Amino acid sequence: GAVVSQHPSWVICKSGTSVKIECRSLDFQATTMFWYRQFPKQSLMLMATSNEGSKATYEQGVEKDKFLINHASLTLSTLTVTSAHPEDSSFYICSAREERGNQETQYFGPGTRLLVL
Amino acid sequence: DAKTTQPTSMDCAEGRAANLPCNHSTISGNEYVYWYRQIHSQGPQYIIHGLKNNETNEMASLIITEDRKSSTLILPHATLRDTAVYYCIVRGYNTNAGKSTFGDGTTLTVKP
Repeated sequence: GAVVSQHPSWVICKSGTSVKIECRSLDFQATTMFWYRQFPKQSLMLMATSNEGSKATYEQGVEKDKFLINHASLTLSTLTVTSAHPEDSSFYICSAREERGNQETQYFGPGTRLLVL
Repeated sequence: DAKTTQPTSMDCAEGRAANLPCNHSTISGNEYVYWYRQIHSQGPQYIIHGLKNNETNEMASLIITEDRKSSTLILPHATLRDTAVYYCIVRGYNTNAGKSTFGDGTTLTVKP
């Protein structure tokens, strides 16, 4: 299947700093990418939909000014957690949507584990 | 997107077939059934998807009932590395902006 990468795979930062996470589709172009967050022993929760060349669409309850999303190209979306706090510690996962004809498949990155001290 | 119902957990003996059921009684005619799995501390991995017909690939088989209200993912010869949480998702092409809604999935434990 198609490959999606994330960088970094894990990050530890101090409270108040900002952290940028990159999501890349390596062998296909993705006009749409998604960002999820997963807390321990819970399922994935969709945070936002990232659209190439336009503003991201955020799910209810997700602060757009705190979680900045940029989809600058067809293979790269970034999520910046601004002024991170300990409650933002989580597993952040992106997915990229591959479209073929009238079908589509979403492939997920390996995730980025964020720990805010 | 249609809601799905999966058992919370299942066990399977190594080398035997693992059959994971999923109910999606409110599925629409243009919605596909997707299966993903998540091995501990990793991102979800795409397994297979289908619309009406049964599908098979190198990882698994997907059996969809004729009325499309339920499906079964079959891992023909389960190994210890197949231990994971398996998610069944129903999603239409370009409906709801292609978003996937993850339920709690089925935790499959393959035992030696």
